[in-house]
Amino acid sequence: ETGVTQTPRHLVMGMTNKKSLKCEQHLGHNAMYWYKQSAKKPLELMFVYNFKEQTENNSVPSRFSPECPNSSHLFLHLHTLQPEDSALYLCASSQAEQARGYTFGSGTRLTVV
Amino acid sequence: AQSVTQLGSHVSVSEGALVLLRCNYSSSVPPYLFWYVQYPNQGLQLLLKYTSAATLVKGINGFEAEFKKSETSFHLTKPSAHMSDAAEYFCAVSDVKTSYDKVIFGPGTSLSVIP
Repeated sequence: ETGVTQTPRHLVMGMTNKKSLKCEQHLGHNAMYWYKQSAKKPLELMFVYNFKEQTENNSVPSRFSPECPNSSHLFLHLHTLQPEDSALYLCASSQAEQARGYTFGSGTRLTVV
Repeated sequence: AQSVTQLGSHVSVSEGALVLLRCNYSSSVPPYLFWYVQYPNQGLQLLLKYTSAATLVKGINGFEAEFKKSETSFHLTKPSAHMSDAAEYFCAVSDVKTSYDKVIFGPGTSLSVIP
């Protein structure tokens, strides 16, 4: 399988639940990203991993916890979320410093109830 | 700091008409510029990119964009709109001098195509 794969596609969770989003890329890229896309708002960069090292955390609340065990996998661990965290969470990857652009996954539609 | 503005959050065109989506950027270094398209409930897909080669860039699905340094613009065009072009379009600028490709996205333009 090629490209960037995100699972699950849809997730409904209560505010006290703990869940994880998974992202996997088979493109040989060395950088991976989490973005949040809310209705009527620009794309928000959440986290960046370059060669498995976290290189950016854009003031994201601690209820979001990223994990990058290797250059092909990226997780976003969720706990005690708020209703305003409901959004489309997009994973992307790129070959850093080559300006080829990002390859995005299809996203996980998260609803917090 | 880099930034991207897209004039018009929503654009409507008739099927067969010219599509023009506007993008202006600000960058302190020569920019790398991108257009992405997003269909409902999907991720973003790269349409085309400018990386300091030819100023007129051709992409997928018949789209093209022209880099105009004097105007700091990178407008997206398509000669004849198709119903399948209805989607959200994002212009983006990248600074590749960082250790990763830091891409700044514009707010997006929603394109509707009227039969």
